[in-house]
Amino acid sequence: QVQLVESGGGVVQPGKSLRLSCAASGFTFSAYDIHWVRQAPGKGLEWLAVISYDGRIEYYADSVKGRFTISRDNSKNALYLQMNSLKPEDTAVYYCATGLDDYGDDYWGQGALVTVSS
Amino acid sequence: QSVLTQPPSASGTPGQRVTISCSGSRSNIGSNHVYWYQQLPGTAPKLLIYSNDRRPSGVPDRFSGSKSGTSASLAIGGLRSEDEADYYCASWDDSLNGFVFGTGTKVTVL
Repeated sequence: QVQLVESGGGVVQPGKSLRLSCAASGFTFSAYDIHWVRQAPGKGLEWLAVISYDGRIEYYADSVKGRFTISRDNSKNALYLQMNSLKPEDTAVYYCATGLDDYGDDYWGQGALVTVSS
Repeated sequence: QSVLTQPPSASGTPGQRVTISCSGSRSNIGSNHVYWYQQLPGTAPKLLIYSNDRRPSGVPDRFSGSKSGTSASLAIGGLRSEDEADYYCASWDDSLNGFVFGTGTKVTVL
């Protein structure tokens, strides 16, 4: 069945870096644009970044531009989010997801919790 | 602060129809498609509506979406207890060159 599984979350100090991974299975990963979306505790959804199906185009939210980098390896069916210069306000559950397109194929991971704290 | 504004809450009794609004601008809803998500407590969001008014397979036809100008709406007909959740709209924003989510609406079934 379709699965997106995030990993790499944890507790990190402010100013440090962390890399999240998202492993995909059960669908043609290389055919889809993929997004990172986060949700701070008790807050709403925040879109962070998207990478095109072929990895050539990336877009970022202003809140993470210049600090976070989205990438993918279609040979491994994997998506990544490199997070640098982390701030306490980056504390959230991070989801990888398809969707936000004209196809209606909606796949989400279970989320990875990132806590930025000293 | 989001550029897509939703009412913080909405409610209805079982069987009623509830409508949630999403107010944006020309750079987002006015120019691009709208998506609607349902998020049950402790779970990942689920797509209810894409491309303004289309339902993914498996989504009941009790859920419907519409768009007019710079606003969009999600209607839930025949409200059920399992519809109690948070609902979010989303759209691409040409000025921000990114997607934006709405502020979210908590639906309560009385």
